[in-house]
Amino acid sequence: DAGITQSPRHKVTETGTPVTLRCHQTENHRYMYWYRQDPGHGLRLIHYSYGVKDTDKGEVSDGYSVSRSKTEDFLLTLESATSSQTSVYFCAISQGQGDEKLFFGSGTQLSVL
Amino acid sequence: SQELEQSPQSLIVQEGKNLTINCTSSKTLYGLYWYKQKYGEGLIFLMMLQKGGEEKSHEKITAKLDEKKQQSSLHITASQPSHAGIYLCGAGYGGATNKLIFGTGTLLAVQP
Repeated sequence: DAGITQSPRHKVTETGTPVTLRCHQTENHRYMYWYRQDPGHGLRLIHYSYGVKDTDKGEVSDGYSVSRSKTEDFLLTLESATSSQTSVYFCAISQGQGDEKLFFGSGTQLSVL
Repeated sequence: SQELEQSPQSLIVQEGKNLTINCTSSKTLYGLYWYKQKYGEGLIFLMMLQKGGEEKSHEKITAKLDEKKQQSSLHITASQPSHAGIYLCGAGYGGATNKLIFGTGTLLAVQP
């Protein structure tokens, strides 16, 4: 299995509070991604990174920000959590260079009450 | 994203039966990826198809990408309970961004 660790695995928070999810990889892959998974919508890309300090928006980036200060870490921040952000969040990594095969973490279940 | 449509959305089959899941893109695919997800877990990579007409097999699962590179099918032969889960197709549309867009998934249940 690819060395991807997501933390926390589960989190319950209240509306309006900030939340940060962490993705840590040990594979030295260039690309890192954050997806959310919701019933009826499948996996939707939130943000991705193609290098340290290089990030871009995905399909559903509103209300989320990301940071990548080191190759191995990719943080997803909900500045002010809302109930619509209750979801399962997956981090993924890929080598790039024409190979878009993604390796996924185990996911973070986030509940915003 | 509506760029990728999967059908059916869910499927219940008897153990031993064959089944097919389809993934259709609204535009030409650069690469098509199949993943499987068990409940409460992350996605596991199954296969990648890049060339029109390409077909790949792994154990009892076969995936094909049509010549026009806009549709893929995943076929499971003699299904087993271990095949149960959610199957998702993901597509790369080229460019330098290396990001995958996913379909909504197909939930497969296999009855013993």
